[in-house]
Amino acid sequence: QSALTQPASVSGSPGQSITISCTGTSSDVGGYNYVSWYQQHPGKAPKLMIYEVSNRPSGVPDRFSGSKSGNTASLTISGLQAEDEADYYCSSYTSSSTLEVFGGGTKLTVL
Amino acid sequence: QVQLQESGPGLVKPSQTLSLTCTVSGGSISSGSYYWSWIRQPAGKGLEWIGRIYTSGSTNYNPSLKSRVTISVDTSKNQFSLKLSSVTAADTAVYYCARRHTAIYGMDVWGQGTTVTVSS
Repeated sequence: QSALTQPASVSGSPGQSITISCTGTSSDVGGYNYVSWYQQHPGKAPKLMIYEVSNRPSGVPDRFSGSKSGNTASLTISGLQAEDEADYYCSSYTSSSTLEVFGGGTKLTVL
Repeated sequence: QVQLQESGPGLVKPSQTLSLTCTVSGGSISSGSYYWSWIRQPAGKGLEWIGRIYTSGSTNYNPSLKSRVTISVDTSKNQFSLKLSSVTAADTAVYYCARRHTAIYGMDVWGQGTTVTVSS
């Protein structure tokens, strides 16, 4: 069981917007602005899409955005494209001795 | 542009020690302030943070693996390494190395991953 809770799957049609949630506790997501999001295509390494809740690394399209409210962080992808179909993982700093925790991952299907 | 590449045996026998190396190219492992991490992913499952080493050599480990894990750095070879002892089938996974700047929460550079199978 992962420390952070994500929906197992979400789907959307091209051009639509989807949101993936990542729920933790006040010891991780809710307590710090240290949430990142990763995109992983099959057989590939994860790719950083969002860092520190809402910041995009250079080269990541602005269709990807992040936010946080309380103990839940969210990744929103607007204007869905076929190449967005992938697994998405959230990660957070935690004040527990684990230091870094991941969500269980969400499979995004573009219909 | 910094790149990471994992290497090591793809098959390890139960109870033995898994040893992997991550080679850093395109930059010095000693320059800047970075955490160099290991993460693993069992087939069809999610990511698990194993631990990290700072440029200075200080380490942090996932408590669930701490008793079996050692991460070290060899600056002369621009590499950092993972040793996981007393492995079982549950340690079968794709192992990734990754980099994170100390001032930015997010691992921005990842290796391609290497598959390690624990089997006799």
